[in-house]
Parts: sequence; structure tokens; C-alpha cells
Amino acid sequence: QVQLQQSGPGLVKPSQTLSLTCAISGDSVSSKNAAWNWIRQSPSRGLEWLGRTYYRSKRFNDYAVSVKSRITINPDTSKNQFSLQLNSVTPEDTAVYYCARSQRGALDYWGQGTLVTVSS
Amino acid sequence: QSVLSQPPSASGTPGQRVTISCSGSSSTIGRNTVNWYQQFPGTAPKVLIYNNNQRPSGVPDRFSGSKSGTSASLAISGLQSEDEATYYCAAWDDSLSGQEVFGGGTKLTVL
Repeated sequence: QVQLQQSGPGLVKPSQTLSLTCAISGDSVSSKNAAWNWIRQSPSRGLEWLGRTYYRSKRFNDYAVSVKSRITINPDTSKNQFSLQLNSVTPEDTAVYYCARSQRGALDYWGQGTLVTVSS
Repeated sequence: QSVLSQPPSASGTPGQRVTISCSGSSSTIGRNTVNWYQQFPGTAPKVLIYNNNQRPSGVPDRFSGSKSGTSASLAISGLQSEDEATYYCAAWDDSLSGQEVFGGGTKLTVL
């Protein structure tokens, strides 16, 4: 059974960097059959896919246009986890952030969600 | 405004059949498969239908999905009170550099 456990601060100051980690059990961040995603949800923006990292013949990353200039998703194979970094945050980045695995095109396992508030 | 369009609300009585629509474009539903997610308040979404019409194990066959052209639908037959939730469609968008996009969600009320 795949489980995803999220960790990271719930409060970030404007202009700073939001950092979250998603620890994987029951699968591998290096799997050639899966991708590892970050999604956020807010009342104003609904569900918003932010990006993913995956390994096939080499490592790939895809990012949403809306955050492409500010986002980095990195795998950590030694700890079997992946992380999200979102730079220069504003109050509009306040949301519940989820990590999720995708396989066969669907987001089939999700983390528990982390409410991140951007406020001074 | 979401890339995929869904009605904000739907309702039905127990035992009824309800359909939720999802409208996209040639770069989303027209070219890619559709997934449906169910979400209860305070919890993460759960995949209900993937690849247009496939159900993961454990999802009752009361739930079914279909796709035609640039639109998709989720049907729930034999509606039950525990089906009261918000439902989201999703698909890959081939425009620009490619990304996953979601509908705005449909809140289903069981009367």
C-alpha cells in the first residue's frame, strides 16, 4: 500500500520560500511507472496542479505555467521523498498543498494535505 | 476560471441517477483521457474514474464515466446519501508546455 506523508511549515512570510516534503512508502521516487506531483487547493483557485517529477530513461520535471518561474520539485532518492519549493510567495499562494502519485495518468494516492498560510 | 467547465452544483434523491458534465477543448479532453475525483470536506480527493471510464478497485459500479469529443460525463446511479461530495474532472492540457488541469468542481447534494 502506497502512503505519502507530508511535512513542512504551515506559515510562510511574503516574499520568502515555501518548502514542503513528501515521504513515500510502498513505492519509489525512482519508479519508471509513476510520477510524483504537487497540487494545491484554495477557495479562489480551486484545485491547481503545480508540477511533477518522474524518472524514465532520465529525470524529467513538468511545471504549471502559472508558477513555472518560481517552482522547483526535487526528488531525494536517498530518503525516497520529493520536495516542493515555491519562491517569492504572496498571500495568493495560501492554500492546502497536496503531494500525490500519478500512475496511468491518474492521481491515485494523495498525501494528507498541508495548509500553508502566507502572512507576515 | 477553470480550464474545464463543470456545473457548480447538482442534486438528486436516493436511488436516482445523476449525471455531471465536464466540458473542455481540443487540447484537453479532445486529445487526452479524463479522470474523475471525489472529495469530502477536509480530505484529499480520491480517484473515482480514470482513463475516461475505468474504475479503480473498490469503487462501486454505480459510478461510470464516458467521453465524447471535447466533453466528458460522470454518472452515478442508485444515488446514496454517502455520495454527497464534490466531484472534479481532470485532464492533461497539451497547450503551451503541457500540464494537468481540473474542473471547478460540482457539489452533489443528496436530497
